Amino acid sequence: QVQLQESGPGLVKPSETLSLTCTVSNGSISSYYWSWIRQPPGKGLEWIGFIYDTGNTNYNPSLKRRVTISLDTSKNQFSLKLTSVTAADTAVYYCARLQWLAPYYYYMDVWGQGTTVTVSS
Amino acid sequence: EIVMTQSPATLSVSPGERATLSCRASQSVSSNLDWYQQKPGQAPRLLIYGASTRATGIPARFSGSGSGTEFTLTISSLQSEDFAVYYCQQYNNWPWTFGLGTRVEI
Repeated sequence: QVQLQESGPGLVKPSETLSLTCTVSNGSISSYYWSWIRQPPGKGLEWIGFIYDTGNTNYNPSLKRRVTISLDTSKNQFSLKLTSVTAADTAVYYCARLQWLAPYYYYMDVWGQGTTVTVSS
Repeated sequence: EIVMTQSPATLSVSPGERATLSCRASQSVSSNLDWYQQKPGQAPRLLIYGASTRATGIPARFSGSGSGTEFTLTISSLQSEDFAVYYCQQYNNWPWTFGLGTRVEI
């Protein structure tokens, strides 16, 4: 079945850019939405945004000025960049497949295991 | 943004008992609501989508109901593997938002 795996640095310095990649295996990246969600230590879940295979994106307004999600269909990967990070961006970052089912159902049915990113000097 | 409020924050139950978890939206989200289960150190797992449809492979003891602003996740007979944190999430309005979760413990 489809599997997702996050990768990227586990430690980022304040004011720098957090960059993560999610690799999709055993399935195609086409015809789906792909999302990023994060979870600060001991806290709940927060949507970061998602991207469709056309490249169309939707970002959480609270992060919109700092976030970019992109797609590399040739590598079956999608990526997250978050600029100007602070300690508040310390979290477990998850990538997930966002399924759309007509007429208007959306749900995340496949998740990566998550990767911990700490913002600290 | 829509605020999702889950109650109780912690639910203490015994195996075999029924658990009822509530989720309230600050404004109507129609039936555009999902439920996820998260165990320590693991990614969330989809349980219910569209407020009441069980995801593939989810046991029948899990059921979801509600629409508008009031939703319920019911676990009819708790098994040991059901002790976890449960999150509701609306996708009616962007940004989509999660509740803070209900921890189901022994």
